[in-house]
Amino acid sequence: GENVEQHPSTLSVQEGDSAVIKCTYSDSASNYFPWYKQELGKRPQLIIDIRSNVGEKKDQRIAVTLNKTAKHFSLHITETQPEDSAVYFCAASRGGKLIFGQGTELSVKP
Amino acid sequence: SQTIHQWPATLVQPVGSPLSLECTVEGTSNPNLYWYRQAAGRGLQLLFYSVGIGQISSEVPQNLSASRPQDRQFILSSKKLLLSDSGFYLCAWKTTGPGDTQYFGPGTRLTVL
Repeated sequence: GENVEQHPSTLSVQEGDSAVIKCTYSDSASNYFPWYKQELGKRPQLIIDIRSNVGEKKDQRIAVTLNKTAKHFSLHITETQPEDSAVYFCAASRGGKLIFGQGTELSVKP
Repeated sequence: SQTIHQWPATLVQPVGSPLSLECTVEGTSNPNLYWYRQAAGRGLQLLFYSVGIGQISSEVPQNLSASRPQDRQFILSSKKLLLSDSGFYLCAWKTTGPGDTQYFGPGTRLTVL
């Protein structure tokens, strides 16, 4: 079955710096890759997603890149703000079943 | 618009007691429904998913079970809780068809003592 590895597990940046979180997946048939943000005690919220027929997608300060050959995808957050502090999860999906990475705790220091 | 509800929001149960968590979705028909568990605030583990009434797929063998008695209702149950069942239980839905985005409910925080 699918396996998703996510790194780093914790990330601390200064406000205004960029943050990058990386994930690798094992099933080459996976075709949908969402990223979720989860604040403490809250539900995960979708922040951006990408499908296997696209190499990059951007939404304001957030971008995701996908390398199908290497089977890895990354989340890029530019100009980080304290409210970006949260746990971020990547996931890979084929046929509607999401397999999640273990999460990255991002801390943005003012 | 679609909304997803879970209850209860929090639950404290003794070891060996039964469990019933409920999830309902409004504003959509024939959704795919999912139960996840999250331990210690990290790592969402898929427990069960359902593509229709009475259709349940189990991902992890354990003392939990799921049922879907109605189109937009998904129930997670246990006959006897274990300490290791403590965690944050999240229900999610997605539309059938080509859409893949899953939307999560507010969750139930379960503590087994």
